[in-house]
Amino acid sequence: AQSVAQPEDQVNVAEGNPLTVKCTYSVSGNPYLFWYVQYPNRGLQFLLKYITGDNLVKGSYGFEAEFNKSQTSFHLKKPSALVSDSALYFCAAQDNYGQNFVFGPGTRLSVLP
Amino acid sequence: EPEVTQTPSHQVTQMGQEVILRCVPISNHLYFYWYRQILGQKVEFLVSFYNNEISEKSEIFDDQFSVERPDGSNFTLKIRSTKLEDSAMYFCASSEWGTSDSGYTFGSGTRLTVV
Repeated sequence: AQSVAQPEDQVNVAEGNPLTVKCTYSVSGNPYLFWYVQYPNRGLQFLLKYITGDNLVKGSYGFEAEFNKSQTSFHLKKPSALVSDSALYFCAAQDNYGQNFVFGPGTRLSVLP
Repeated sequence: EPEVTQTPSHQVTQMGQEVILRCVPISNHLYFYWYRQILGQKVEFLVSFYNNEISEKSEIFDDQFSVERPDGSNFTLKIRSTKLEDSAMYFCASSEWGTSDSGYTFGSGTRLTVV
């Protein structure tokens, strides 16, 4: 069965420092991989995706993610964190047969001023 | 930018009552979905809908749940007899294709509280 793991419930980082939110997946075939962000009292917002091509994917708000097939990972990164980046981040995966998304459990990012 | 609209934003209902959560997907999208997120837990898939029928559903989506596209714009989730454990945030999503190149577009959610 497909699954997505986000090994950290909480990530704390100081403003201006680089941040990484980890994600690993177990999906058959070649996966489609996504990151979503959820701000308080808001819906899920799309950040970025990996379908094919370059392993480094750039998305909204300065975020990027690196697809690593050998490690089955898709970690979210940002070179310099902002306090406004504090939110809940979800990694999601979908196989290329069109099956539905599987979400990870979410990681709460807190950027401290 | 096109949005998926969900109403109401917050619904409080008594246990055993029926609730209908409403969603207006993006107009040219063909695939529709419901997800839920129990407070503090992960987002869970409920059901997908295409061509006026359910294409896939999870174990959570039992006989108490139903979905409908009553007209050309709305997509509803009905819970016939709510239970306390149905309290959650319910997200509607839509996509143009089943394997969306851009990911799904999610609504802002309806927080359902069953008392």
